[in-house]
Amino acid sequence: DIQMTQSPSSLSASVGDRVTITCQASQDISNYLNWYQQKPGKAPKLLIYDASNLETGVPAVFSGGGSGTDFTFTISSLQPEDTATYYCQQFVNLPRTFGQGTKVEIK
Amino acid sequence: EVQSVESGGGLVQPGGSLRLSCVASGFTFSSYWMSWVRQAPGKGLEWVASIKEDGSEEYYVDSVKGRFAISRDNAKNSQFLQMNSLRAEDTAVYYCVRGRSNFRFWGQGTLVTVSS
Repeated sequence: DIQMTQSPSSLSASVGDRVTITCQASQDISNYLNWYQQKPGKAPKLLIYDASNLETGVPAVFSGGGSGTDFTFTISSLQPEDTATYYCQQFVNLPRTFGQGTKVEIK
Repeated sequence: EVQSVESGGGLVQPGGSLRLSCVASGFTFSSYWMSWVRQAPGKGLEWVASIKEDGSEEYYVDSVKGRFAISRDNAKNSQFLQMNSLRAEDTAVYYCVRGRSNFRFWGQGTLVTVSS
């Protein structure tokens, strides 16, 4: 199975800050990577697909990059409504696997 | 609007069985793979199973192979997860999800609690 390792596990930043989360795959996954946002008590929401493509309707404050084994997810200007847990997920093969999540809070 | 509504969760004793259902709407159900993804309380996301558009292929995470069975009824825009020999570690919110790679649309989830 492909292991997905996110860092940090949690972070606290100020409104307007640029926030970056990293995700590392245990083997080359090309660009077969998605990013999700999950708010408390809610289902996850797809934000970024194929490593860098913004899902329809998702604000451009969110972005993704990387390929191979190393990926990044960035919030360019953190807002209170971005408080959530963010997950990466690979889909190059089965089983589909997720990172452990990064909890983002406002300082 | 794409929607998925799960049902069938509840409290079950270890070794027991449950059948989860998901009714989807807002898209051509028979044209999409469907999946189940679960989340244990306070934990991360875990893919459980996926089924092909026509039901001819099924895939499972190792931890549920031989105990869970995914199925679908395209005439009723529905998918199902039959869960047998349930264990405490199966306790989770189970989400019905469209797709098998990009999980674009999720239901609200149904809670399964395995406890004596």
